[in-house]
Amino acid sequence: EAGVTQFPSHSVIEKGQTVTLRCDPISGHDNLYWYRRVMGKEIKFLLHFVKESKQDESGMPNNRFLAERTGGTYSTLKVQPAELEDSGVYFCASSRVQGAGDTEAFFGQGTRLTVV
Amino acid sequence: RKEVEQDPGPFNVPEGATVAFNCTYSNSASQSFFWYRQDCRKEPKLLMSVYSSGNEDGRFTAQLNRASQYISLLIRDSKLSDSATYLCVVKRGKSTFGDGTTLTVKP
Repeated sequence: EAGVTQFPSHSVIEKGQTVTLRCDPISGHDNLYWYRRVMGKEIKFLLHFVKESKQDESGMPNNRFLAERTGGTYSTLKVQPAELEDSGVYFCASSRVQGAGDTEAFFGQGTRLTVV
Repeated sequence: RKEVEQDPGPFNVPEGATVAFNCTYSNSASQSFFWYRQDCRKEPKLLMSVYSSGNEDGRFTAQLNRASQYISLLIRDSKLSDSATYLCVVKRGKSTFGDGTTLTVKP
């Protein structure tokens, strides 16, 4: 079974540019999460999809961030325009809905974003 | 106050030592609890789930105290390969991570 895959693995962009990160969850996992770890800080939640619907987007830092999951399969996270403080590692995770709860989340290897 | 707080660490221990990590959480409605392990520049990977009855997996023992909102991880007979950052994760819908505690096991 393929794991969670993220693309690109690294991205270096200039301040003001746009970057789009992609996440392909494990097949059959309805839950998809985006997290971010900025330098020296803990991993922080950004948002949660259940299939194509945004279940919780309380962690999105501002309106420069836009996440989509059309069709309930892969997801994209777009940052436009990027700022220096957006640099960090962006993780995607997926899990299966199971009864009243969910299975554990499996993480992708992350996209390391550097804004210069 | 952070939702999930862990021992700040770092922990530097010799091989064979026993080491314990502690974690507290603030949301009493939290439903699921996990310890994840993260190696340098890698993604977090599930180490073990944590249950109220306590659970053990080889050298690793996890405990949950819902009344005190406290989670622990005990590692016995530490190996060099145990060196990593250990993340306490509390879940209610979304997963909330602690800052992580870094363990270095030395020969």
